[in-house]
Order: sequence, then structure tokens, then C-alpha cells
Amino acid sequence: KQEVTQIPAALSVPEGENLVLNCSFTDSAIYNLQWFRQDPGKGLTSLLLIQSSQREQTSGRLNASLDKSSGRSTLYIAASQPGDSATYLCAVSGTDKLIFGTGTRLQVFP
Amino acid sequence: GAGVSQSPSNKVTEKGKDVELRCDPISGHTALYWYRQSLGQGLEFLIYFQGNSAPDKSGLPSDRFSAERTGGSVSTLTIQRTQQEDSAVYLCASSLALPGQGTSPLHFGNGTRLTVT
Repeated sequence: KQEVTQIPAALSVPEGENLVLNCSFTDSAIYNLQWFRQDPGKGLTSLLLIQSSQREQTSGRLNASLDKSSGRSTLYIAASQPGDSATYLCAVSGTDKLIFGTGTRLQVFP
Repeated sequence: GAGVSQSPSNKVTEKGKDVELRCDPISGHTALYWYRQSLGQGLEFLIYFQGNSAPDKSGLPSDRFSAERTGGSVSTLTIQRTQQEDSAVYLCASSLALPGQGTSPLHFGNGTRLTVT
């Protein structure tokens, strides 16, 4: 059974810092991995999708990497801003459904 | 609409009552998912629909839960004889295809917050 773990559970950093969020999964037989952002009281917004054959994806200040063989992914956020404050979730997929981690709650203070 | 729409946004019901939650996916999206998010927990898969195929109901927690998708579009999640442990945010999501069929990201609605008193 696929299990997804995210570390740390919570993170508080000053504005401007570069930071790394970690995601690990137990079964490397995945089709893709997605990173999502969730703001309080809202649904999830897809940030980046990495196919199993890819090593990384970039969007603006976000960079996600995937090491399928070791069951790990990282989300790198450059030059963090208060608007980045949210919960970040990673999810891995088999052929059909996504399995989610419990998220990292990020707070960026001015 | 441009995104996934869920209604109601909030629902308070008494224990033992039935509730219906509605999801209107993005037009053209063949895959539709229901997840449940309890306080402090991750997202728990409930059920998904893909085109005209039989739904995968493997995540439904009990036979009090059921869902249907009419005409390949709108979906309704029904919870019968609600219990307090059913209190959670119910999230619906849609995508162009299943993960194994392409690289379409999942688009989520804002969820329905269900409170059973």
C-alpha cells in the first residue's frame, strides 16, 4: 500500500529565504507526482506535475524534483514571500488515483 | 464555469439525516474524484468516475456512502444516516484523463464543509 510522508509538518520562515519541502513515498511504481497548494478554506491548486520519466519541473520561483528510485521529491521555493503562506501537499499516482501526503504548513512572515 | 464547482459550500445537519453534496466538474473532463479531508488529516480517496466505466468505489468508508455521475458530468455524493465522524470537508476534483492515460493535472473545487451535530 502506497504511503506518502511529508516533512516538516510545519515551517515558519522570514521573507526572502529559500526553502525546501520534502515528500517521500514507499512504492516507486508511480505514474506521476504532483505538488499542490491549499489556502485556508479553499480547495487545492496544482502547482507542478512531474511525470515518472522526468527529474524536475520548474514554474517561476518553484522547482520540484523527483527521484523515483529512492521514493523522494522536493519542492524548492526561492525567495519566499508572505503570499506563499499556505499548506503544500504532494500526491503520487498509480494508473488511476492520487495518494496524498498530510502536507507541510508554511508561514512566511515579513 | 471555468473551474470545478461544489455546492453547498457549508452544510450543517443533524445526526441520522441524509445529505447530498454536488460537484460540477470542468467541461470536457472525463475523470471525476471525491476526496474527504478531516481536520489535521490528509486527503482520503473516496471514489472516482472515468468516462462510462464503472466507478472505483474502493475508498467509500461504509455502505452509507454512495455517489453517482449523471450524463458524464455532474456528480452527487450521498451520505445516508449521517454520523458525527462524517464531519469533514468533502472535495471534488476533475481532470482530462486518469494519471495512467496522460499528464493532466487534477483541478479541485473549494469543497463542502459538512458538520454533523
